[in-house]
Amino acid sequence: DAGITQSPRHKVTETGTPVTLRCHQTENHRYMYWYRQDPGHGLRLIHYSYGVKDTDKGEVSDGYSVSRSKTEDFLLTLESATSSQTSVYFCAISVGLAVANTGELFFGEGSRLTVL
Amino acid sequence: KNQVEQSPQSLIILEGKNCTLQCNYTVSPFSNLRWYKQDTGRGPVSLTIMTFSENTKSNGRYTATLDADTKQSSLHITASQLSDSASYICVVSAMKTSYDKVIFGPGTSLSVIP
Repeated sequence: DAGITQSPRHKVTETGTPVTLRCHQTENHRYMYWYRQDPGHGLRLIHYSYGVKDTDKGEVSDGYSVSRSKTEDFLLTLESATSSQTSVYFCAISVGLAVANTGELFFGEGSRLTVL
Repeated sequence: KNQVEQSPQSLIILEGKNCTLQCNYTVSPFSNLRWYKQDTGRGPVSLTIMTFSENTKSNGRYTATLDADTKQSSLHITASQLSDSASYICVVSAMKTSYDKVIFGPGTSLSVIP
């Protein structure tokens, strides 16, 4: 357990509404990530952060924004949710260096979002 | 194109039996390969990690192998238990490049039945 909490764990919303998912960590790790997981696809990186107010896009960032005003919190926002954003969202942190340099990834429990 | 493929897509085995899951990748340049276990409704949890120089790594009843020449890995589960029912995900990382070089496979869904 790397002290990662995601909220909400489940959410149903309507197309066009804004949605914010929160990831909270208790161990002051520098790197945080948001992934989405869909059937038939591997986990795909949406956005990541390498420090307070330092964020960058992943491979599927369109329609998503993120913010990190404190080390412990990484927020993922869907400004205007669409049905294609129905998915399970996972927050992760990497311990040590970034993942590409063998740092270990630890995941939260996931947030299931349904956009009607 | 960087890709990670896994086979089979799903597998059903009897409790106590062994099984082997496969992972083929085209990610380059290779840095490391990990296997994760993901229980239903939970986040993935790391089982093993192997770098280029390692060709085998064990974690209890789980043994991962890596052939960097053929770009293949396998995860062998010995004496399966009901708690092994999960999705097993192969993840390949590229060497010191941007984050989008971390490629997740689609997973193999394993069901262990009594």
